[in-house]
Amino acid sequence: KQEVTQIPAALSVPEGENLVLNCSFTDSAIYNLQWFRQDPGKGLTSLLLIQSSQREQTSGRLNASLDKSSGRSTLYIAASQPGDSATYLCAASSGGYQKVTFGTGTKLQVIP
Amino acid sequence: GAVVSQHPSRVICKSGTSVKIECRSLDFQATTMFWYRQFPKQSLMLMATSNEGSKATYEQGVEKDKFLINHASLTLSTLTVTSAHPEDSSFYICSAHYTDTQYFGPGTRLTVL
Repeated sequence: KQEVTQIPAALSVPEGENLVLNCSFTDSAIYNLQWFRQDPGKGLTSLLLIQSSQREQTSGRLNASLDKSSGRSTLYIAASQPGDSATYLCAASSGGYQKVTFGTGTKLQVIP
Repeated sequence: GAVVSQHPSRVICKSGTSVKIECRSLDFQATTMFWYRQFPKQSLMLMATSNEGSKATYEQGVEKDKFLINHASLTLSTLTVTSAHPEDSSFYICSAHYTDTQYFGPGTRLTVL
């Protein structure tokens, strides 16, 4: 059974700082891994999708990496802004596309 | 591409009423859609898998008579929460299968008073 862990559960950083969010998964035979942000009381926004054959994906100030052998993915946010404050979720797809396991998220606060 | 929408984004209802949530794949056809829910401070958990034209498959512990799923077309699946109670208040999210990936909708926040 796939288990996905995100550490830390909460993180507070000053504006402008670069930061890394961590996601660990127990079953390395993943199909893909996705990163989402969830704003308080609002829905999910997809940020990056990394297929199992890829090592990283980039979108603007965001860079996500995937290391299947170690069971880890990281989301790097450059030059953080207050608007980046949200909960970040990672989700690993294993056993094909049908089984997606979410982590419990990292709540990020960027202080102006 | 691969955009999934949900409607409504928020709904507040009285206890005992039924609520329908729609999930649409906007630019692709999806034979399989999935429904998840998220309780406060918890992770998203799969509720059921919905296949177009057939009955949904529910995860253990999910009441099929309470959470009615209909997947009548390749672009629309609906989740109806019947006789909703305050404990059903949650965040419900759907996803649709396309090119071996699940693409997620933005979610619907249900509050039952």
